[in-house]
Amino acid sequence: QVQLVDSGGGVVQPGRSLRLSCAASGFTFSNFDMHWVRQAPGKGLEWVAVIWYDGSNKYYADSVKGRFTISRDNSKNTLYLQMNSLRAEDTAVYYCAKKGSTDFDYWGQGTLVTVSS
Amino acid sequence: QSALTQPRSVSGSPGQSVTISCTGTSSDVGGYNYVSWYQQHPGKAPKLMIYGVSKRPSGVPDRFSGSKSGNTASLTISGLQAEDEADYYCCSYAGSYTYVFGTGTKVTVL
Repeated sequence: QVQLVDSGGGVVQPGRSLRLSCAASGFTFSNFDMHWVRQAPGKGLEWVAVIWYDGSNKYYADSVKGRFTISRDNSKNTLYLQMNSLRAEDTAVYYCAKKGSTDFDYWGQGTLVTVSS
Repeated sequence: QSALTQPRSVSGSPGQSVTISCTGTSSDVGGYNYVSWYQQHPGKAPKLMIYGVSKRPSGVPDRFSGSKSGNTASLTISGLQAEDEADYYCCSYAGSYTYVFGTGTKVTVL
């Protein structure tokens, strides 16, 4: 069965960097686009970024463009999110999600990132 | 990109029907048949309930249904059950390979 395991969250100071990972199993990872979605504490969902199945194209929400980089290693079935110049407003649970037909059909359990001094 | 507008909360008694609206623009909801709905219980990851406006993934009860008219999509839960109490989010493709979520609706089963 499809499984996505998010990791790498933690407490980080403003301006610093953090890299999140999402380990995928149960499907042919290299055939599917992958997304990151985040949720600030007590708030709604916010789409963050997408990477095509082969890594050839990447797109970002305006709120993270220029600071975050999505990448993948299809040989390791792993998705990444490099987050630089972190701000307090980036505090959230970050979920990786597999692209379905027109949607996000499977989600990781989420990893909490707290940006605080 | 502004979030899609959903009512903050809706409620109903067991067995009743509730409908959640999701209002966007012609650049997102109205422009594509790519609206999906997600159920989220507290502390859990979201779960896909409806995709492509009105399609149900395998395993989702048929009491969940979706529709769209113009710039507004809707999720209807018929025959409300206690386990349906959760937060619900709509999501739409917004062009240029970007997506936008709704503000979220808390469904309470009275």
